[in-house]
Amino acid sequence: GQSLEQPSEVTAVEGAIVQINCTYQTSGFYGLSWYQQHDGGAPTFLSYNALDGLEETGRFSSFLSRSDSYGYLLLQELQMKDSASYFCAVFSPWGNTPLVFGKGTRLSVIA
Amino acid sequence: DGGITQSPKYLFRKEGQNVTLSCEQNLNHDAMYWYRQDPGQGLRLIYYSQIVNDFQKGDIAEGYSVSREKKESFPLTVTSAQKNPTAFYLCASSDSGGRGRKNIQYFGAGTRLSVL
Repeated sequence: GQSLEQPSEVTAVEGAIVQINCTYQTSGFYGLSWYQQHDGGAPTFLSYNALDGLEETGRFSSFLSRSDSYGYLLLQELQMKDSASYFCAVFSPWGNTPLVFGKGTRLSVIA
Repeated sequence: DGGITQSPKYLFRKEGQNVTLSCEQNLNHDAMYWYRQDPGQGLRLIYYSQIVNDFQKGDIAEGYSVSREKKESFPLTVTSAQKNPTAFYLCASSDSGGRGRKNIQYFGAGTRLSVL
């Protein structure tokens, strides 16, 4: 089967840095994606890693280690609007579903 | 503007009733997906379609049905066989994906289904 593990909740202070971890077990692997979802809204794509290393997009960075089946999303200079749920998702062509989502990490940014 | 349109935003189902959720995209994407999201949970795949007139079951297809007669449209029917249909339903689309491509999924705004 396929499974992803990420923390259910994280709280961080405005202006700080927070890291959200994701470990996965899949039968086949193309890449790891991250999505953001505000309450009541639709998920939106943030980043994608197919190879080991760090990808940076503005205040957000994502890291992947294929050998460890592990990745993380790093959010810098946190803003109140970053309060949302963050989902990691594995893109795997050999499972029953092409994209498998974790259960999400709810990030609360406090003043 | 390109995007995905889901309707209605809110839907109520009576016991024994079938209801259909609409999903339309003008992104010219080959693949379309239906997900179910329960409170505090991740997204679980119901059905997906990678090409017109073809679709595959996801992890929780029981009690649901779909059709893909046009590239732009992928309606989901929640049948009376689905005993616990109350949830937030999300439709998404993407390029077909494959090695070297990201399979970025673009989501509609969702339909919130409740049982009367």
